[in-house]
Amino acid sequence: AQKVTQAQTEISVVEKEDVTLDCVYETRDTTYYLFWYKQPPSGELVFLIRRNSFDEQNEISGRYSWNFQKSTSSFNFTITASQVVDSAVYFCALSAYSGAGSYQLTFGKGTKLSVIP
Amino acid sequence: DVKVTQSSRYLVKRTGEKVFLECVQDMDHENMFWYRQDPGLGLRLIYFSYDVKMKEKGDIPEGYSVSREKKERFSLILESASTNQTSMYLCASSMGPPKGAFFGQGTRLTVV
Repeated sequence: AQKVTQAQTEISVVEKEDVTLDCVYETRDTTYYLFWYKQPPSGELVFLIRRNSFDEQNEISGRYSWNFQKSTSSFNFTITASQVVDSAVYFCALSAYSGAGSYQLTFGKGTKLSVIP
Repeated sequence: DVKVTQSSRYLVKRTGEKVFLECVQDMDHENMFWYRQDPGLGLRLIYFSYDVKMKEKGDIPEGYSVSREKKERFSLILESASTNQTSMYLCASSMGPPKGAFFGQGTRLTVV
């Protein structure tokens, strides 16, 4: 069984502040993939990043950065200098093989980020 | 760009009706998924399929069935709709774990 926990239900920050969204996962598989998705008010989920279990290198993309730590089973997401357009619900997800030729993609409950101007 | 299209954006059905939610993807993806999204519960996996005619139960399959007769189309069926199935339904497709999944725009289903 696999599980993703996003302990923060809602976060509010003032524009230009940095914010970190936490994600903790559980899986028995040694090969797995982690993702972050953004769901803006329009509703459609947008893929942000993926990371495989063998690559613990942190990644930065503009104002976004991700910190993957296998030792703590965490995959945290930081937005630097937040902007109002960052307001959305953010989901962390885990993918691991669940059987012959198939895999399951499990999501956390999401963190609603509100950036106040 | 990958396109995942759900047949309806909004749907209102009566209790007891048989409901079909259709999803089509245009990128030859092998894997397709159906989720429901409810406030405070995130996305919960109902069913997924890794090949034509192949399906696996997700975390909440009760009250639902699926059909995948062609690679590009994955249908979610509510055999007898109930009010507790009022929700946002999201379809996704993927080539495999490394590629992530692409989502449709969602169908907001209301059962009255």
